[in-house]
Amino acid sequence: GDSVTQTEGLVTLTKGLPVMLNCTYQTTYSPFLFWYVQHLNEAPKLLLKSSTDNKRTEHQGFYATLHKSSSSFHLQKSSVQLSDSALYFCALSSQGGRALIFGTGTTVSVSP
Amino acid sequence: EAAVTQSPRSKVAVTGGKVTLSCHQTNNHDYMYWYRQDTGHGLRLIHYSYVADSTEKGDIPDGYKASRPSQENFSLILELASLSQTAVYFCASWDNQNTLYFGAGTRLSVL
Repeated sequence: GDSVTQTEGLVTLTKGLPVMLNCTYQTTYSPFLFWYVQHLNEAPKLLLKSSTDNKRTEHQGFYATLHKSSSSFHLQKSSVQLSDSALYFCALSSQGGRALIFGTGTTVSVSP
Repeated sequence: EAAVTQSPRSKVAVTGGKVTLSCHQTNNHDYMYWYRQDTGHGLRLIHYSYVADSTEKGDIPDGYKASRPSQENFSLILELASLSQTAVYFCASWDNQNTLYFGAGTRLSVL
């Protein structure tokens, strides 16, 4: 069945440094990938999404490129801020369906 | 922006009791979902619905029922609450731009 894997449970870094969160997926259908961000005690919100192979998509300083050849959709930011501390989920929609499958999430903790 | 409202925001229930979590959306979205969030498991789909008076099972439906009496309302029902159902529950609706909108969540503690 379909699945999403996020390998890092916790990423800790200092403000101003770059970050990359890994996301790989498995599906036999055409994928649509998403990144959601959840700040403490808040609801998850869409950060960015893509179904186009090898095209970079950006939002709020974050960016990701869907690579179907490697089944990956890694999230990156060149310089993290304190406000980027949050839980980040990668999610997959396939088969043209609207039920997302979420990864286990990566907590990002940014220190001054 | 899309509005999804959940009630209650928190709930303490006793083991074996009945719990109903409610969700209301004002966006005219056809698709609605119930997810539960547990540390280390991310968000897991319990039930979803794409039309009033019809619900579908998600990945972890056991122990839960769902009800969609109208396009705007979608409830999650725990007939016999158990300790293992302690979690945060999120309702969400899906628009036609491939975006899922979440409610603020309900923190359920079963004692």
